Amino acid sequence: AQSVTQLGSHVSVSEGALVLLRCNYSSSVPPYLFWYVQYPNQGLQLLLKYTSAATLVKGINGFEAEFKKSETSFHLTKPSAHMSDAAEYFCAVSNNNAGNMLTFGGGTRLMVKP
Amino acid sequence: DTAVSQTPKYLVTQMGNDKSIKCEQNLGHDTMYWYKQDSKKFLKIMFSYNNKELIINETVPNRFSPKSPDKAHLNLHINSLELGDSAVYFCASSQDGPGGYGYTFGSGTRLTVV
Repeated sequence: AQSVTQLGSHVSVSEGALVLLRCNYSSSVPPYLFWYVQYPNQGLQLLLKYTSAATLVKGINGFEAEFKKSETSFHLTKPSAHMSDAAEYFCAVSNNNAGNMLTFGGGTRLMVKP
Repeated sequence: DTAVSQTPKYLVTQMGNDKSIKCEQNLGHDTMYWYKQDSKKFLKIMFSYNNKELIINETVPNRFSPKSPDKAHLNLHINSLELGDSAVYFCASSQDGPGGYGYTFGSGTRLTVV
């Protein structure tokens, strides 16, 4: 079984501030972890993924995430928020026992204030 | 070229009608999915097809019937539409093999039942 919990359904930051979106996972076997971004009225776009190589993963648009097995976490960060980062962010997990089936967290709406 | 394309993008229809949503991918992926995103942005898998064969069928009313004429297409037919069917429906595809590939999503179909 696998599941994802995203703490905070809404996160608000000022432009230029640090972005931290939290994700905790549960998986009975080593997981693959993903962050997707959804802009208004659009589909989901892959930001980055962890597939058991480096634990610090860099993605598009300056985002990165760190896999911490001891904490079962995969938090998403960006050093300096930009107005264009305002969107919905989804953490997701899959594992080999589940084939490629992705299980998503509930999403976090990121708001960026001028 | 759009990798995963869905049509229509918007669909407004009356209760009781039957409607279809089409999905096509040109990525050569073997597995395709339908997800439903509700008004709170929660994403839930509905169906998964691998090379035209149904492999995941979550608890979905039997009014929903997926059809895969070939591995590049996965259509969703909905009979006797209800108000609660209003949502955004996303098609996605992925490569076969060990997990870690993630999905490529279409841009979604916003279904509104009135």
